[in-house]
Amino acid sequence: DTEVTQTPKHLVMGMTNKKSLKCEQHMGHRAMYWYKQKAKKPPELMFVYSYEKLSINESVPSRFSPECPNSSLLNLHLHALQPEDSALYLCASSQEPRLAGVGDTQYFGPGTRLTVL
Amino acid sequence: GDSVTQMEGPVTLSEEAFLTINCTYTATGYPSLFWYVQYPGEGLQLLLKATKADDKGSNKGFEATYRKETTSFHLEKGSVQVSDSAVYFCALSDPGNAGNMLTFGGGTRLMVKP
Repeated sequence: DTEVTQTPKHLVMGMTNKKSLKCEQHMGHRAMYWYKQKAKKPPELMFVYSYEKLSINESVPSRFSPECPNSSLLNLHLHALQPEDSALYLCASSQEPRLAGVGDTQYFGPGTRLTVL
Repeated sequence: GDSVTQMEGPVTLSEEAFLTINCTYTATGYPSLFWYVQYPGEGLQLLLKATKADDKGSNKGFEATYRKETTSFHLEKGSVQVSDSAVYFCALSDPGNAGNMLTFGGGTRLMVKP
């Protein structure tokens, strides 16, 4: 099974709201990722967690706050977002982020469609 | 740095036509190559992959061969169906890059008409 689940599927929030996106995988993967995807564009990497530790932050504004409570869960906390943050947020996971010599396969969830009013 | 270039769409085909979506790459290391598909309103699904030169990835009638000499990974299908209508992303993962990051092409939208 290569399933990554994400909740909620859709989210509408105001600029003063605080909300969280959730991602879960039960494949024993040790790397988890957050991506942002705007319409008609490829996904853009936001954060990478490796063995539950934040390893990459692609200069993402602090209004996005990731959290990895355990090896199966990844959250993205949202606060004071702007309308331009409206996008599809994708979570992915991969088995072994440091697999020597071979690019590791990332498996994506269905995404959360976020609208900021 | 690494980059992936794929043909711009949309590509419009009739059902049962032959499909080719071109993908070329540049990489500093020896990358793994992937095709992902995104159906309307959904996330990305791994379609196929290849990890070394001359490997052929295949799935659901789609094929792509890792050509190191031409730095290409073109996607082909012999007979497309309406249900293949989606956006296709070519991507690479370079083990020389920290964090196993994926580098994506711009995506190619495929529209198949009955």
